[in-house]
Amino acid sequence: DIVMTQSPLSLPVTPGEPASISCRSSQSLLHSDGSHYLDWYLQKPGQSPQLLIYSVSNRASGVPDRFSGSGSGTDFTLKISRVEAEDVGVYFCMQALQTRTFGQGTRVEIK
Amino acid sequence: EVQLVQSGAEVKKPGDSLRISCVASGYSFTSYWIGWVRQMPGQGLEWMGIIYPADSDTKYSPSFQGHVTISVDKSINTAYLQWSSLQASDAAIYYCVRRGQSGRLVAGLDLWGHGTLVTVSS
Repeated sequence: DIVMTQSPLSLPVTPGEPASISCRSSQSLLHSDGSHYLDWYLQKPGQSPQLLIYSVSNRASGVPDRFSGSGSGTDFTLKISRVEAEDVGVYFCMQALQTRTFGQGTRVEIK
Repeated sequence: EVQLVQSGAEVKKPGDSLRISCVASGYSFTSYWIGWVRQMPGQGLEWMGIIYPADSDTKYSPSFQGHVTISVDKSINTAYLQWSSLQASDAAIYYCVRRGQSGRLVAGLDLWGHGTLVTVSS
């Protein structure tokens, strides 16, 4: 299995300030088609998870442009340019190169 | 509206069988893979497996192979997750998900059901 490791596991944030979450995979997520199969999801309190970013840097439909993804190989980052109160929840990265596996989750809360 | 609607919460005893469902609407059911994700109480997300409704091609996570069965009835746009003998450790929320597609690119798990809570207690 590909192991996904996120950091930090808890992230207190100030509204209006930037935030960043790291996700590292135990092996490269580069597919032979040239894409990296790394997605980001947000599970808001009491809700189902929702897709934010797919294939490293593609925002899902309706996702605000304050969310961005980057990275390659085994190291990936989700950035929020200016955190809003509605961004609180648990963020998960997930690899889809092999049988899907998720990171442990990063809990984002307002300071 | 494009959505996945899951069956309601279940309370079962160890050893019971169970089948939960996920009804798709608003899109072509047979054109997208449907998967299942487990979330144990207060825990993270675990991938269980995925099925292609057009031909029932199914791929299980090794962690769940042999313990659950994923199936579909494409005549009623419904996917199922089934256990023949529940264990206490099966207590969790189960989400059905759609694997998105953007051209030739797999586009994440772009549609999630609301989740089905399964309680297993003697």
